[in-house]
Order: sequence, then C-alpha cells, then structure tokens
Amino acid sequence: AQTVTQSQPEMSVQEAETVTLSCTYDTSESDYYLFWYKQPPSRQMILVIRQEAYKQQNATENRFSVNFQKAAKSFSLKISDSQLGDAAMYFCAYAGGTSYGKLTFGQGTILTVHP
Amino acid sequence: NAGVTQTPKFQVLKTGQSMTLQCAQDMNHNSMYWYRQDPGMGLRLIYYSASEGTTDKGEVPNGYNVSRLNKREFSLRLESAAPSQTSVYFCASSPSVGGRGYTFGSGTRLTVV
Repeated sequence: AQTVTQSQPEMSVQEAETVTLSCTYDTSESDYYLFWYKQPPSRQMILVIRQEAYKQQNATENRFSVNFQKAAKSFSLKISDSQLGDAAMYFCAYAGGTSYGKLTFGQGTILTVHP
Repeated sequence: NAGVTQTPKFQVLKTGQSMTLQCAQDMNHNSMYWYRQDPGMGLRLIYYSASEGTTDKGEVPNGYNVSRLNKREFSLRLESAAPSQTSVYFCASSPSVGGRGYTFGSGTRLTVV
C-alpha cells in the first residue's frame, strides 16, 4: 500500500520569506500523480500544485513550486514571498498505480505566517 | 456555482443514531469519494465509486455504507453512530479514476456524543 509522510507537523515563516514543506512517499508504481492541497480555516480543500511522475520538470504555480525527486520519493513544496493568506494546513497527497483515482494523504503541516 | 455540494455542514448525533450525509456534483464526473479527516491523520478514504453503479471500500469502511444513487449523487450512511465516528467528512469527485481534476465539497463536521 502507498504511504505518504509529512514529518513537519508545524512550520512557521516570516511574511515575504521562503518556506519549504517536506513530503515523502512510498510506492512501487512508476505512474502516479502527486499533489499539494491547502486547507484554510474554512475547511475547503484547495489544490495548490500537481506533479505527474513521468514529467521530470518540477511543477510551478506562481509563488508555489515543488522539488520532485522521484528516485528519493520526495516531493517538497516551496512557497516564495510568503503572504499572510498562505497560513493554512497543507496536505501532500498521492494518486496512482493500483489505487489510481484514490488519494492517499499525508498527516498535514500547519503553516503559520508571521507579519 | 459548479462543484460538489455536501449537506449538512454540521451535525450532532447521539450514540446509536443513524444519519445520511448527502453529496452531489454537477460537473458530470464519473468518480466520487468519501473521506474522513481526523487530527494528525490527514484524510482517509472511506468508500469510493469509480463510476455509476459501482462502489468499493477504502481504507476505513467499517461502520459506514454508501449509495451511488445516480451519476450526480453519492451518499454516506452511518447506521449506528459511535463516538469514534466524530470527524470531518469530505466528499470529492473526479472525471474518472485518474490523477486530475479532484474537486472537494466543503465538508461536514459530525460530532457523536
């Protein structure tokens, strides 16, 4: 079974600074997708960024980028120029292989942004 | 607004009571899912429906049943609620079993006393 691990329960960053959230996963599949979701206090699950495993190029969405290391099974999220609105719970998630279509989530990282 | 609609948003049940959580999507997605979110454990899959007419167990199915009523609707039923089922429940949908286009509902906070 696939597993996703987020080893940082909490992280904090100063406004305008850069922060990196860590995620590792375990799978025997070669074809899969990885995601970062943001969950603000409203509870809504918001897709931040998505990476397809067969693409070597790291995904980027404005201030959000990932460092995808397929061999190491690592998928970290970098938030540049952090803003107060970035404060939220962030989840790393995996979909692929025999579990295709079903998301496996990490435990989550609470990000605090200090003004 | 297009998306996934869950009802109710909040619910308090007594132990042993039953209830059904409703979920509907208007994006013509084939696949639908029910997750529960507990502190420190992320979201865990309860049941899913890859397409209309099919349902399968996820990681934590015990104590739950589901019905894929039609392509739009996927309900989750608790037959005899237990305090361990206190959680936040999310419904989600995707165009098909695949890695794109997951859309989540806004969640239901359920408390079982």
